[in-house]
Amino acid sequence: AQSVTQLGSHVSVSEGALVLLRCNYSSSVPPYLFWYVQYPNQGLQLLLKYTTGATLVKGINGFEAEFKKSETSFHLTKPSAHMSDAAEYFCAVTLNTDKLIFGTGTRLQVFP
Amino acid sequence: DTEVTQTPKHLVMGMTNKKSLKCEQHMGHRAMYWYKQKAKKPPELMFVYSYEKLSINESVPSRFSPECPNSSLLNLHLHALQPEDSALYLCASSPGGGELFFGEGSRLTVL
Repeated sequence: AQSVTQLGSHVSVSEGALVLLRCNYSSSVPPYLFWYVQYPNQGLQLLLKYTTGATLVKGINGFEAEFKKSETSFHLTKPSAHMSDAAEYFCAVTLNTDKLIFGTGTRLQVFP
Repeated sequence: DTEVTQTPKHLVMGMTNKKSLKCEQHMGHRAMYWYKQKAKKPPELMFVYSYEKLSINESVPSRFSPECPNSSLLNLHLHALQPEDSALYLCASSPGGGELFFGEGSRLTVL
């Protein structure tokens, strides 16, 4: 069975600083990996996804993530945080089925 | 049209009431989902419909009853709920491969 682990339930950064949100996966076969963002009182929005091919994936709002098979990781980064990036971020995994498994989430706070 | 529309946005109901949550998408997606999300928790999968047939039921209590009248509509019928069922109920649609498009959710309060 597949699963994801998000290290750190809360991450705080200053505006303009690097954002790094960690995600490790467990899967017996190469999975499809996703990052979703949830702003307060809203649904989830897809930031980026990795299925096959290039391991560095660029998403919306300046975010990117790198699939590292050797480390079973799919960490999310952004070079410079903006106040509007404050939200809950979920890593998710599927084996190309209809069942998407979410991690426990990381709340990103951005301080001025 | 890239939206998933959920109604109502807020619902308050008693434990003896019967109510329904509705979801609509016009993106031609083949799969539609119901998730339940409690505060500060990730979404929990409840049901998945694929090509209008129920394909996944995550052992959800029978007081929750899903219905997919057609490829664009998904309902969640609620009956005899408990206060612990209070949560944000999220609908999503997908063309497949794990990419989900979520609605803004229906916030349910059970008194």
